[in-house]
Amino acid sequence: AQSVTQLDSQVPVFEEAPVELRCNYSSSVSVYLFWYVQYPNQGLQLLLKYLSGSTLVKGINGFEAEFNKSQTSFHLRKPSVHISDTAEYFCAVIRNQGGKLIFGQGTELSVKP
Amino acid sequence: DTEVTQTPKHLVMGMTNKKSLKCEQHMGHRAMYWYKQKAKKPPELMFVYSYEKLSINESVPSRFSPECPNSSLLNLHLHALQPEDSALYLCASSQVLVSTDTQYFGPGTRLTVL
Repeated sequence: AQSVTQLDSQVPVFEEAPVELRCNYSSSVSVYLFWYVQYPNQGLQLLLKYLSGSTLVKGINGFEAEFNKSQTSFHLRKPSVHISDTAEYFCAVIRNQGGKLIFGQGTELSVKP
Repeated sequence: DTEVTQTPKHLVMGMTNKKSLKCEQHMGHRAMYWYKQKAKKPPELMFVYSYEKLSINESVPSRFSPECPNSSLLNLHLHALQPEDSALYLCASSQVLVSTDTQYFGPGTRLTVL
């Protein structure tokens, strides 16, 4: 079975500061990894995904993530956050042989002026 | 156009009511999903349709009945719900049912069961 752990439930940060949202996964098989963002009262939007190839993945809105197979991590980073980045962020995993998307518990990013 | 639309935005219903949630996409996607999201929790998969056929049912109670009348439309029929079924119901779609495909989510229907 696969599982995802998001290590921080809340991350407060000041505007223009860098941020890292941490995600660890466990799986006995190869998986694909995703980061989704959910703005208040909205659905989820894909930020980026790792399927294969380069371990550094660039996404929308200036976010990037690094896949680290040895540490089974897929941390999300942004060098300078904006107020508009305030949202809930979900890391997710799916087996590459098919299956359902398993989400982590989410990290609430709160950007303060 | 990567839009998935859901109606209604909000729904309040009693435990004896019958209601339906509607989801629509015009991206030509052939896989469609229903998720349930409780407050401050991640989405949980309920059903998956692939080419208008039910492919995955995550042991959802029979008071939730999905329907996929055509490739663009997905319904969720609700009957005799319980207050604990109050949640945000999200619809999603992807090109086909493969792991690499991005799932595109709608804004959700916020359901309150009294």
